[in-house]
Amino acid sequence: GAVVSQHPSRVICKSGTSVKIECRSLDFQATTMFWYRQFPKQSLMLMATSNEGSKATYEQGVEKDKFLINHASLTLSTLTVTSAHPEDSSFYICSASGYRGGGNEQFFGPGTRLTVL
Amino acid sequence: ILNVEQSPQSLHVQEGDSTNFTCSFPSSNFYALHWYRWETAKSPEALFVMTLNGDEKKKGRISATLNTKEGYSYLYIKGSQPEDSATYLCALAHDMRFGAGTRLTVKP
Repeated sequence: GAVVSQHPSRVICKSGTSVKIECRSLDFQATTMFWYRQFPKQSLMLMATSNEGSKATYEQGVEKDKFLINHASLTLSTLTVTSAHPEDSSFYICSASGYRGGGNEQFFGPGTRLTVL
Repeated sequence: ILNVEQSPQSLHVQEGDSTNFTCSFPSSNFYALHWYRWETAKSPEALFVMTLNGDEKKKGRISATLNTKEGYSYLYIKGSQPEDSATYLCALAHDMRFGAGTRLTVKP
């Protein structure tokens, strides 16, 4: 079964609104979570890495004030797209890293499709 | 090599052909390499985690090798099937930045 969930799976919003995406590890403690974005016809681009209880580390070119990441607990990280615009429309996916079943593993959420009108 | 690089960018093969592609990475401070099979707008499917130099792992018709000294990993698919069509991604475990991927298309 799924070990990382993402919510919502799909969201449509108006330009200027903020959207929060949740990423939860279901049966393990995720010490590190990664947020990715897929641009059309491109690979998954890493946006930021977050460790529980500390500030996220953003990749070059990713606006930290635009994409707010919070990793307040070992099972939850959130990505908030603030004042969303149509160019923010994309597929966002998280992955969680932690010890599960005796080994350090990496699991992906199912992704969130954001459409900004 | 500063980042993970994958080649070729795309590959078209006939059903039944065997194929392989490359993931190159900085060989210093290596920890582990992940291979994923990915279809657009879906969650990547983990294939292998490669850790030791000389590692060779197999999952059905797919296998992978690792050379940490020279900084590359090969992914092989034997007897390609249309359902193998996808993008194959690799990433170093310590930063999880993906390469651009190899987009494989298997024609029936």
